[in-house]
Amino acid sequence: NAGVTQTPKFQVLKTGQSMTLQCAQDMNHNSMYWYRQDPGMGLRLIYYSASEGTTDKGEVPNGYNVSRLNKREFSLRLESAAPSQTSVYFCASSGQGEVINEQFFGPGTRLTVL
Amino acid sequence: DAKTTQPPSMDCAEGRAANLPCNHSTISGNEYVYWYRQIHSQGPQYIIHGLKNNETNEMASLIITEDRKSSTLILPHATLRDTAVYYCTLSGSARQLTFGSGTQLTVLP
Repeated sequence: NAGVTQTPKFQVLKTGQSMTLQCAQDMNHNSMYWYRQDPGMGLRLIYYSASEGTTDKGEVPNGYNVSRLNKREFSLRLESAAPSQTSVYFCASSGQGEVINEQFFGPGTRLTVL
Repeated sequence: DAKTTQPPSMDCAEGRAANLPCNHSTISGNEYVYWYRQIHSQGPQYIIHGLKNNETNEMASLIITEDRKSSTLILPHATLRDTAVYYCTLSGSARQLTFGSGTQLTVLP
């Protein structure tokens, strides 16, 4: 099992460009999450999807959109990138098992907006 | 306002126990305490969680005070590979985790 995979690993954008970060999990998890992590900071939740077909805003949703394409995939879109969105983006997933909220994280996407 | 507070950094000698404290004085009755760690710039990794009883697994032990306002993560025999940022976070029925700045644990040879 690959766990949680993210593409791309690195990306450089110019201000105003758009892009979509892809995330997929092969653990049959219901819930998926997108976080951002700025240098020296903890992770902040952008959006999450408790189950296929549902999405909800997290702590810092402005400037982002998400799509829960199916149970496996959860994408994050930046419509018009800004330098303030320079960050490392982590996708995570969790199931409904014994550990209520054990989240499994992907390796991250390192995004720089110039 | 942060829901949890942790010291920014701690050192521990290799082979000794590492005790990482966390304060969560405003914890709600249905909120669990979770601990994650992040090695270098990798994605965080789950360590352990608890509600009110002390918990132990193959990685660590979690001690929660009786009033649930604080907890301590214990790594019984720290190794160099345990050097990481350790996050204490709370999660209730909303299934969201809120990460603070964490504690940078450095295990010294």
